[in-house]
Amino acid sequence: KNEVEQSPQNLTAQEGEFITINCSYSVGISALHWLQQHPGGGIVSLFMLSSGKKKHGRLIATINIQEKHSSLHITASHPRDSAVYICAGSGRSQGNLIFGKGTKLSVKP
Amino acid sequence: EAGVVQSPRYKIIEKKQPVAFWCNPISGHNTLYWYLQNLGQGPELLIRYENEEAVDDSQLPKDRFSAERLKGVDSTLKIQPAELGDSAVYLCASSLNKYNEQFFGPGTRLTVL
Repeated sequence: KNEVEQSPQNLTAQEGEFITINCSYSVGISALHWLQQHPGGGIVSLFMLSSGKKKHGRLIATINIQEKHSSLHITASHPRDSAVYICAGSGRSQGNLIFGKGTKLSVKP
Repeated sequence: EAGVVQSPRYKIIEKKQPVAFWCNPISGHNTLYWYLQNLGQGPELLIRYENEEAVDDSQLPKDRFSAERLKGVDSTLKIQPAELGDSAVYLCASSLNKYNEQFFGPGTRLTVL
């Protein structure tokens, strides 16, 4: 069974701190997606990766295929980064996303 | 380029009433998804379309839920009759194909009274 586990569930940080959210996944998942959802807002796709590392602005996503682990990093965090960050996996043979439970991030000024 | 469009954004109905949600995917996207998201939970897939064909509807409660994507472009999700437990956000997403990044619409927040 394909599974995605995220940690932590909740995270509070001070503005400027470096933030890491972790995601582990099971065999059968070949690509990892990181998504962002603001309160009452829609879901925005941040990254889709199957190997290595991707960077966009202050956001960095990495994946270790051998360990079946991915991380999302936010550098120089800002209150506007406050949102729920969701890790989701997709398999080689089917495109359905298997979602983690999300990490609720709150960045205090 | 316009993103995924959904309407209505909010809907309040009484139980046992029917309700329909509409989704227009990004132009050229062959794959369309309907998800249900309960408060504090991650989205759960209801149905996935490849063009006009429903290729995965195993999680769709077929006694009351139905969906269609007749011309392989926009799609409608219907609930009839609605129950209190159907209150949730219904999300539509699309992608070029099932292997590509998914783009989400703003969702329809349904409240069943």
